Amino acid sequence: GESVGLHLPTLSVQEGDNSIINCAYSNSASDYFIWYKQESGKGPQFIIDIRSNMDKRQGQRVTVLLNKTVKHLSLQIAATQPGDSAVYFCAENIWVNAGNMLTFGGGTRLMVKP
Amino acid sequence: KAGVTQTPRYLIKTRGQQVTLSCSPISGHRSVSWYQQTPGQGLQFLFEYFSETQRNKGNFPGRFSGRQFSNSRSEMNVSTLELGDSALYLCASSIPRGPGANVLTFGAGSRLTVL
Repeated sequence: GESVGLHLPTLSVQEGDNSIINCAYSNSASDYFIWYKQESGKGPQFIIDIRSNMDKRQGQRVTVLLNKTVKHLSLQIAATQPGDSAVYFCAENIWVNAGNMLTFGGGTRLMVKP
Repeated sequence: KAGVTQTPRYLIKTRGQQVTLSCSPISGHRSVSWYQQTPGQGLQFLFEYFSETQRNKGNFPGRFSGRQFSNSRSEMNVSTLELGDSALYLCASSIPRGPGANVLTFGAGSRLTVL
């Protein structure tokens, strides 16, 4: 597969454990945040999103937490499975020139040990 | 329904040449964005088009250009290729909404290698 990133921070977890991936964003005007998952050879895939007027949102096995005070975002994955192994990106959205623009973080590689 | 389709998937060019990459968005998606992905710089925004108009452009030199057609399909062009242009070029489409809702659906990308 294609190499997404050679120098990404890596989180290694045991299958069945919970995973927490952290992200710091930069723009206090960002109004919307998304987590994406990218597997080798594929484009990023949407996982979960959260608006800036919320601090927590839950999906199936995933939870996103937003702390606007310190501009921090986290993704929690419950009962991590081998299929969760991928690179995870957070993205922040701003509204500019009558359009939305997403800026991505550097990514974290999640490795799940069976 | 069909996802975002990018062609070609892989291509090899030499320095100084130019390249055109194509993107067909999901049916009904009128906004198309392009990103460059490299191991060193991560995912970087190139430009975004809506109704054949470029609304935003990232911090890339003028060698990088794009356009969108009336059927929402988009192309990007890179002229006078440099070694550093080797990257995965990702196209994403979305249904444009107001501020604060921008879920992009990505294609698999076009892997460009410049020799």
